[in-house]
Amino acid sequence: SQQGEEDPQALSIQEGENATMNCSYKTSINNLQWYRQNSGRGLVHLILIRSNEREKHSGRLRVTLDTSKKSSSLLITASRAADTASYFCATEGNQGGKLIFGQGTELSVKP
Amino acid sequence: GAGVSQTPSNKVTEKGKYVELRCDPISGHTALYWYRQSLGQGPEFLIYFQGTGAADDSGLPNDRFFAVRPEGSVSTLKIQRTERGDSAVYLCASSPPDSSGANVLTFGAGSRLTVL
Repeated sequence: SQQGEEDPQALSIQEGENATMNCSYKTSINNLQWYRQNSGRGLVHLILIRSNEREKHSGRLRVTLDTSKKSSSLLITASRAADTASYFCATEGNQGGKLIFGQGTELSVKP
Repeated sequence: GAGVSQTPSNKVTEKGKYVELRCDPISGHTALYWYRQSLGQGPEFLIYFQGTGAADDSGLPNDRFFAVRPEGSVSTLKIQRTERGDSAVYLCASSPPDSSGANVLTFGAGSRLTVL
C-alpha cells in the first residue's frame, strides 16, 4: 500500500530554476524522508525531517513539514541537469521500522 | 561490504517456476527491507527484518512469497509458482541501528525479475 501522494507526477524545468515537489500522507508519522532514484534502480537517501521539525536544509535542498496538513515539500534550488531523476517521499510511522513510499515525482532539468 | 549487494541483477524465468533473490546488506546494519517496484511506481513495501526475525511482513502479497534472514545478515526472498504479475524490480535496503527511532535506508541496485 502507498501512504504518500506526490505532486506533480512530472515536472520539467530549465537549469537554474527552482523545483518544488509536494507529498501528502495519511497517518501519523515519526519522520518523513526524501529519496532520489536514477534510471529506475536503487534509491539514494537525501534528507530526513522528524515530526517535531518544520523545516530542514541540506545544501541546495530545503524540506518543510506541516503535520497538521499531513504534507511536506521538497525544494531544490538552482537546479542542474544532473538533478534529473525521480524523487520519492517516504514516511516512517510511530511504531517505527516500516517506510512507506509515495508514487514519486519525475523531475527533468533541461540544460 | 561497502554497499548493499543484490543478486542476480536480472532474472528471467517461466511462469510457474521458483525464484530466489539474494540480498547482502551493509555489515552491521540490523534492519533489512524488501520492496518491489513496477515501472513508473514507487517502491511497494514487502517485508522488513530486525535481526533474524521478520518485524513486519504485512506487505507480502500472498503465500507464494517468503523471505528469510537466518543469521541476521544475508536475506533471501523466495517466490514460488511465479506469475507474470510478479515481474518487477525487487529492491533490498538496510539500515543501521538508530536510538532515535529513525531508519535511513541504503538501497541495493535491485534485481529485475521477468516472468514469461
